[in-house]
Amino acid sequence: GEDVEQSLFLSVREGDSSVINCTYTDSSSTYLYWYKQEPGAGLQLLTYIFSNMDMKQDQRLTVLLNKKDKHLSLRIADTQTGDSAIYFCAERGRDDKIIFGKGTRLHILP
Amino acid sequence: NAGVTQTPKFQVLKTGQSMTLQCAQDMNHEYMSWYRQDPGMGLRLIHYSVGAGITDQGEVPNGYNVSRSTTEDFPLRLLSAAPSQTSVYFCASRDGRRVGETQYFGPGTRLLVL
Repeated sequence: GEDVEQSLFLSVREGDSSVINCTYTDSSSTYLYWYKQEPGAGLQLLTYIFSNMDMKQDQRLTVLLNKKDKHLSLRIADTQTGDSAIYFCAERGRDDKIIFGKGTRLHILP
Repeated sequence: NAGVTQTPKFQVLKTGQSMTLQCAQDMNHEYMSWYRQDPGMGLRLIHYSVGAGITDQGEVPNGYNVSRSTTEDFPLRLLSAAPSQTSVYFCASRDGRRVGETQYFGPGTRLLVL
């Protein structure tokens, strides 16, 4: 079945760039998503990329997709304390189910 | 629009009790889903629906039932609660008819089964 993998933790100094990586197994994925979850809150969609795109930029966020390697990354430029959260990668397959990774907890160092 | 609403926010059950988690959306979305979130496990899809009258199983459907009699509502039923069902439950919806549409999440229901 489908599987989405992410590393569980990432620590980054304030002002540096954060890069969160994700791999997925479903080669028929149509969309890939990045969600942010702050403590005690629900999930907020940050950005998404269509499977025929290589890159998408939205202000401080850059998404890179390597479809051949089934690898997705989220780069957050100039990381701020407000970026501290859990980031979830998710894929939408041709059956339209959206499957999530386990989430990467981003910790910002002063 | 209220978006996606879930009730209750919190619930404590004893093993073997039954209950229904309510989810409603007012955006006329076709697709609705239920996820559970457990520490270190991310979000796992329980059941989903692509329209009124249509439901399908996700990754972890056992112990849960769903129905979709209207577009707006997608209740999740626990017939006989077990401690393994202690979790935070999120309902989500999306249009399903447009390219790249966003999936909206409800605020979650925290369930503790003793």
